[in-house]
Amino acid sequence: DAGITQSPRHKVTETGTPVTLRCHQTENHRYMYWYRQDPGHGLRLIHYSYGVKDTDKGEVSDGYSVSRSKTEDFLLTLESATSSQTSVYFCAISNAGGDDEQYFGPGTRLTVT
Amino acid sequence: KNQVEQSPQSLIILEGKNCTLQCNYTVSPFSNLRWYKQDTGRGPVSLTIMTFSENTKSNGRYTATLDADTKQSSLHITASQLSDSASYICVVSARGSARQLTFGSGTQLTVLP
Repeated sequence: DAGITQSPRHKVTETGTPVTLRCHQTENHRYMYWYRQDPGHGLRLIHYSYGVKDTDKGEVSDGYSVSRSKTEDFLLTLESATSSQTSVYFCAISNAGGDDEQYFGPGTRLTVT
Repeated sequence: KNQVEQSPQSLIILEGKNCTLQCNYTVSPFSNLRWYKQDTGRGPVSLTIMTFSENTKSNGRYTATLDADTKQSSLHITASQLSDSASYICVVSARGSARQLTFGSGTQLTVLP
């Protein structure tokens, strides 16, 4: 998985609680992404980062926030988890952004009860 | 709106047989098309990349084709193996910002002994 780790790998949480997912890379790639994958849908972009402290929204950003204080770490936070945020979350990295190849982490399965 | 449609949604074949997966896209302006393989519980991994001028690209037993005029691509798998059981995802890039990736929902391939 191209030097990308995600933690935790599995999490069950209750509606209304805050949740933070972590993505860590050892490739020194500039761009980092958070996606969610749901049955019947393609991967959908939540947020991405194009450098330390530089982030932007994707197509499904409502209810999510991100932070990137170091090149190697990209955090995804659900401020108040809802059942609709039950999903598998993937982190990806790329060196040059744009249409450059993205390398994916192993994913985090989040269940909100 | 950019879209990627894949067919079939699922496919079951016997080991040793060939199969072809289809991808139709409406993404503009087109930059490149990638096929990813996603094993159960893992992140997607790139198999091939094709740009506008390329018609065919092979990676071992995997051969991708691209018809940029009709906006169609196919992934042909030859002499299937049990390890080919996975979801195959078509991803189309548009020229522009880092957000411009459109993912298909994938074809779930099962190879039976």
